[in-house]
Amino acid sequence: KAGVTQTPRYLIKTRGQQVTLSCSPISGHRSVSWYQQTPGQGLQFLFEYFSETQRNKGNFPGRFSGRQFSNSRSEMNVSTLELGDSALYLCASSLVAWGPLGDTQYFGPGTRLTVL
Amino acid sequence: GENVEQHPSTLSVQEGDSAVIKCTYSDSASNYFPWYKQELGKRPQLIIDIRSNVGEKKDQRIAVTLNKTAKHFSLHITETQPEDSAVYFCAAHSPGTYKYIFGTGTRLKVLA
Repeated sequence: KAGVTQTPRYLIKTRGQQVTLSCSPISGHRSVSWYQQTPGQGLQFLFEYFSETQRNKGNFPGRFSGRQFSNSRSEMNVSTLELGDSALYLCASSLVAWGPLGDTQYFGPGTRLTVL
Repeated sequence: GENVEQHPSTLSVQEGDSAVIKCTYSDSASNYFPWYKQELGKRPQLIIDIRSNVGEKKDQRIAVTLNKTAKHFSLHITETQPEDSAVYFCAAHSPGTYKYIFGTGTRLKVLA
């Protein structure tokens, strides 16, 4: 089974621009989560989608948004980019809708965004 | 709010020695605790996980223990090898939140 894929792998943008990142989950997985990873900050939760619905959102400004399509693929968008948005953006997928004893997430390779 | 503290932030051990990484969580409702290994430039990979209905789990050289009363869980790696060098993240999941809370990571260096 193919793993989680993300495109593009690398992006360079300038301040003020906007960017869209894409994530394709493992076949059959319906939950997709997004994380921002920066040195020293670990993995910060952005949002989680299941069946095209956002079920939780982390503490990020409204410039960060996302969506999920009917085939479970997901996109996230960052508008009006700032220097501090430079990071590795990871998505992760899981099979079921967070069962009572948790659910394993599998990560994609990430998109490295550099804002100049 | 929810929080996971992870210690130490860096750990150096001699090859063949054991390594222990500890995490403490704040939400007593947390019930699933995965550990991920992230090598430089690669994605986080699940190496072991534990659910709240068990106290210990082993997989070859790796083990995880959970103390629900103290709200902490630990990763134990025995007979460390150079290829164990990586950043390790712990995480905690609470029912109904649809997210993990991650620790800030431990950079493990295994010295040959």
